[in-house]
Amino acid sequence: QSALTQPPSASGSPGQSVTISCTGTSRDVGRYNYVSWYQQHPGKAPKLVIYEVTKRPSGVPDRFSGSKSGNTASLTVSGLQAEDEADYYCCSHAGISNVFGTGTKVTVL
Amino acid sequence: EVQLVESGGGVVRPGGSLRLSCAASGFTLDDYGMTWVRQAPGKGLEWVSGITGNGDSSGYADSVKGRFTVSRDNAKNSLYLVMNSLRAEDTALYYCARGITARYDFWGQGTLVTVSS
Repeated sequence: QSALTQPPSASGSPGQSVTISCTGTSRDVGRYNYVSWYQQHPGKAPKLVIYEVTKRPSGVPDRFSGSKSGNTASLTVSGLQAEDEADYYCCSHAGISNVFGTGTKVTVL
Repeated sequence: EVQLVESGGGVVRPGGSLRLSCAASGFTLDDYGMTWVRQAPGKGLEWVSGITGNGDSSGYADSVKGRFTVSRDNAKNSLYLVMNSLRAEDTALYYCARGITARYDFWGQGTLVTVSS
């Protein structure tokens, strides 16, 4: 149950795109299409922004998109806005357990 | 409106026990698996435990296996986490979340557990 690997930080200017990677193994990300992404602002509970690799919950802007290739999943935030500045975590099903990523702090320059 | 409200956190000495509760409203609890996630101060999210909708199956992170027990009472719209043999490294904000297979669509605000002598 090792944490999925994410870059510690990512940044972009307003209007630009940022992509965050989430690297696991063939026992989690590579095996299941149950990868989700969460946005967390300081002092707040996490919010689901992507589930089952590519799906967006109702109310989440289509600027958020997800993908997966092999053991690595990715979250892309297009058209960056100031309110997108937050910590982002991936999560994958791993059989009888689930595992989160190490987290990425996204800064809007 | 879906709401999840955690309670039961507090300060406990190493080796002590606590029982966390999560009160659910705005949806039929039986229809959903539920999950506990924790976040140590200044750190990332850690999956702790999950339980199916009818309570017949559950799973635990290696870090808590054998010490924590998850349960639910659908008639009382409640989820529980009994934590025994607590360690300093269990200090965290504990969230309950709706969902079980890495899809957690609603979260509570968390209850803080501090393990300290």
